[in-house]
Amino acid sequence: SYVLTQPPSVSVAPGQTARITCGGNNIGSKSVHWYQQKPGQAPVLVVYDDSDRPSGIPERFSGSNSGNTATLTISRVEDGDEADYYCQVWDSSSDPLYVFGTGTTVTVL
Amino acid sequence: QITLKESGPTLVKPTQTLTLTCTFSGFSLSTSGVGVGWIRQPPGKALEWLALIYWNDDKRYSPSLKSRLTITKDTSKNQVVLRMTNMDPVDTATYYCAHSRAKSDYMDVWGDGTTVTVSS
Repeated sequence: SYVLTQPPSVSVAPGQTARITCGGNNIGSKSVHWYQQKPGQAPVLVVYDDSDRPSGIPERFSGSNSGNTATLTISRVEDGDEADYYCQVWDSSSDPLYVFGTGTTVTVL
Repeated sequence: QITLKESGPTLVKPTQTLTLTCTFSGFSLSTSGVGVGWIRQPPGKALEWLALIYWNDDKRYSPSLKSRLTITKDTSKNQVVLRMTNMDPVDTATYYCAHSRAKSDYMDVWGDGTTVTVSS
């Protein structure tokens, strides 16, 4: 089955840049989507199709995808960005079809 | 505005069948390409995709749970139902339903989730 690996945690000071990686075999050939989940809340889509943002998501959130690693970048980090972040791909050749990453907790120092 | 809301029992006994209902508004499940999926999250753990049903009644399941899952839709009621048989304590989780828009492979709008505990 296809596996997406994320670092368990990332710590960043306010105003700095947080980078969250999502590793997978040849992930650059797939579309990667990112979700933000704050404690006690449902996930929210923050980036889709590698680098597009849904309406209402700040430009501070951006994404890239190449080779074996996709990256979610949060610029000018704010206290409100503290959350868990999950990457996700769809893989018709995998088990299961929708695959979520292991999740990364972003802590704002 | 798209909204989804999950409903169902908060507590089920081991071996019982869980039935969850997702009631939605703001879109039609008869619109080409649209889908509604179910995802769960055990306490303190990652998201796990379970199943998805498309506008044309095409159904997809997580292979590891396929034998226990059934997803159906009632377009006239704007509802999607997930059934999971032979519940076990490891199935304790928050269960979410979510909207998948046409020609996409992601979930763009999620319900708030419903917590299900499996215990005797």
